[in-house]
Amino acid sequence: GENVEQHPSTLSVQEGDSAVIKCTYSDSASNYFPWYKQELGKRPQLIIDIRSNVGEKKDQRIAVTLNKTAKHFSLHITETQPEDSAVYFCAASIKSGGSYIPTFGRGTSLIVHP
Amino acid sequence: DTAVSQTPKYLVTQMGNDKSIKCEQNLGHDTMYWYKQDSKKFLKIMFSYNNKELIINETVPNRFSPKSPDKAHLNLHINSLELGDSAVYFCASKLGTNTDTQYFGPGTRLTVL
Repeated sequence: GENVEQHPSTLSVQEGDSAVIKCTYSDSASNYFPWYKQELGKRPQLIIDIRSNVGEKKDQRIAVTLNKTAKHFSLHITETQPEDSAVYFCAASIKSGGSYIPTFGRGTSLIVHP
Repeated sequence: DTAVSQTPKYLVTQMGNDKSIKCEQNLGHDTMYWYKQDSKKFLKIMFSYNNKELIINETVPNRFSPKSPDKAHLNLHINSLELGDSAVYFCASKLGTNTDTQYFGPGTRLTVL
């Protein structure tokens, strides 16, 4: 089955700095890669996603890059703010029937110091 | 913000009991999911279900079973609860096959004593 590795497990930055979280996956059949943000005690929420036919996608301060050949993808957050503090999960998803079945990384706890 | 709702929010029970967690979505979505998040925050899919197919993560014990009375509901039944079942369980849903954005419920924290 799919295996997703996510690094680092904890990331501490100063407000205004950039943050980068990296994930690798093992199954070349994975073709959808969502990123979720989970604040303490809350539900995971999708913040950005990318499909395998795209190399990069941006949404304001957030960007995701995908290297299919190397089987890795990254989340980039620029101009970090204290409210960006949360646990971020990457996932690699394989299509099965009408659904994408995700395998998640173990999460990165991002701490943004004011 | 109640597009995907779950009840109860907290569930404390004894080992060996049978319990259910309910999930409802009012988004008109046709695919629903159950996830388990353990104490180390590891998030794992348990089931994916629409009215045509049930996809089961093969690592999920058969003590767990999803039951869908209608398209808006996917309940999770757990038989013979074990200590290791303690976790937060999230329901999620998505619309159709042309989008993959999943909306998560608020979670149910299950504690097995």
